[in-house]
Amino acid sequence: AQSVAQPEDQVNVAEGNPLTVKCTYSVSGNPYLFWYVQYPNRGLQFLLKYITGDNLVKGSYGFEAEFNKSQTSFHLKKPSALVSDSALYFCAVRDSNAGNMLTFGGGTRLMVKP
Amino acid sequence: EPEVTQTPSHQVTQMGQEVILRCVPISNHLYFYWYRQILGQKVEFLVSFYNNEISEKSEIFDDQFSVERPDGSNFTLKIRSTKLEDSAMYFCASSRGRGPENEQYFGPGTRLTVT
Repeated sequence: AQSVAQPEDQVNVAEGNPLTVKCTYSVSGNPYLFWYVQYPNRGLQFLLKYITGDNLVKGSYGFEAEFNKSQTSFHLKKPSALVSDSALYFCAVRDSNAGNMLTFGGGTRLMVKP
Repeated sequence: EPEVTQTPSHQVTQMGQEVILRCVPISNHLYFYWYRQILGQKVEFLVSFYNNEISEKSEIFDDQFSVERPDGSNFTLKIRSTKLEDSAMYFCASSRGRGPENEQYFGPGTRLTVT
């Protein structure tokens, strides 16, 4: 069975500082990994994905994520945080041995303070 | 930019009543999904739908649930006899294709409250 863990319920960072939101996963086949962001009263908005190829993937709004197979991780990063990045971030995985359902982590609230 | 839309944004119903949650997927997408998120818990997959058939479903998606694409644009989730534990945010999603390169696009959700 596939699973995702986001070990931090909340991450606090000062504006302008780098941010990292952690995600680890477990699958039986190959992982397809996704990050979504949720703003208040909005749906889950796709940020980026890793399917294959380069371990560092770049996405929307300056976010990037690094796939690390040995550590089964897919941490979300941004070099310089903005106050407007404050939101709820979800990591999700799809297992190549399963169908096209996504399994989500519990979410991490990112708070960027001015 | 095309978006998945859902109606209503909030639905309150009494236990035992039937509810229908509606979604309009992105127009050129072929795969449709329902997920739910009980307050304080993870987003959970319910069902995926392609070519007018269910392609996958989770254990949550029991006989009380059904999905339908009644016309060329709408995709609905019906709960026949709601229970208190059905209270959750229900998200509809769609994707262009089945492969992992086709990310799923989510709607804003319908908050279902069963009293």
